[in-house]
Amino acid sequence: GEDVEQSLFLSVREGDSSVINCTYTDSSSTYLYWYKQEPGAGLQLLTYIFSNMDMKQDQRLTVLLNKKDKHLSLRIADTQTGDSAIYFCAEREAGGYQKVTFGTGTKLQVIP
Amino acid sequence: DTEVTQTPKHLVMGMTNKKSLKCEQHMGHRAMYWYKQKAKKPPELMFVYSYEKLSINESVPSRFSPECPNSSLLNLHLHALQPEDSALYLCASSQDPDGNYGYTFGSGTRLTVV
Repeated sequence: GEDVEQSLFLSVREGDSSVINCTYTDSSSTYLYWYKQEPGAGLQLLTYIFSNMDMKQDQRLTVLLNKKDKHLSLRIADTQTGDSAIYFCAEREAGGYQKVTFGTGTKLQVIP
Repeated sequence: DTEVTQTPKHLVMGMTNKKSLKCEQHMGHRAMYWYKQKAKKPPELMFVYSYEKLSINESVPSRFSPECPNSSLLNLHLHALQPEDSALYLCASSQDPDGNYGYTFGSGTRLTVV
């Protein structure tokens, strides 16, 4: 099966930029996603990127995709305490199969 | 209405009980999903319904039985569960039936099997 790996933990100071990284193994992935999960809550879709794009920017969020290295990153500018959460990247398999595989999750801690 | 609503939020059940989890969305989304999430783990897909028909069953044990009575509702019927089935059960929906543009998740039902 597909593996989607993330580092477990990231700590940043309020106001700094955060960069959360993700590596995946399925070269045929069509869409890749970033979700945010706060304690005791469901997942919130932050953004997605189609596999033929290199970059997508949405307000404080910048997604970079390196298909050659199968590497996806999420940059959060001006990180706030409300950004503290677990961030999951996810990939969608090609071929019409409705399966999305989630990464292992990165816990972001923002220090005031 | 841009939400997926799950009830109940918490459920404690014995191994001989029968219970149901409910999920509702009124966004006109055509695909709905059940995910299971254990503590400190990513969500794992259980079932996918597309246009109210079961399209994916990820080899889930028969003690979990999904049902989609109409395009807005998704149920998960539980019977004879084991303690290892304790988890957060998440429902999601997607506007397009393939889920290309991402999912809207509910806040989940935290299930404890005793």
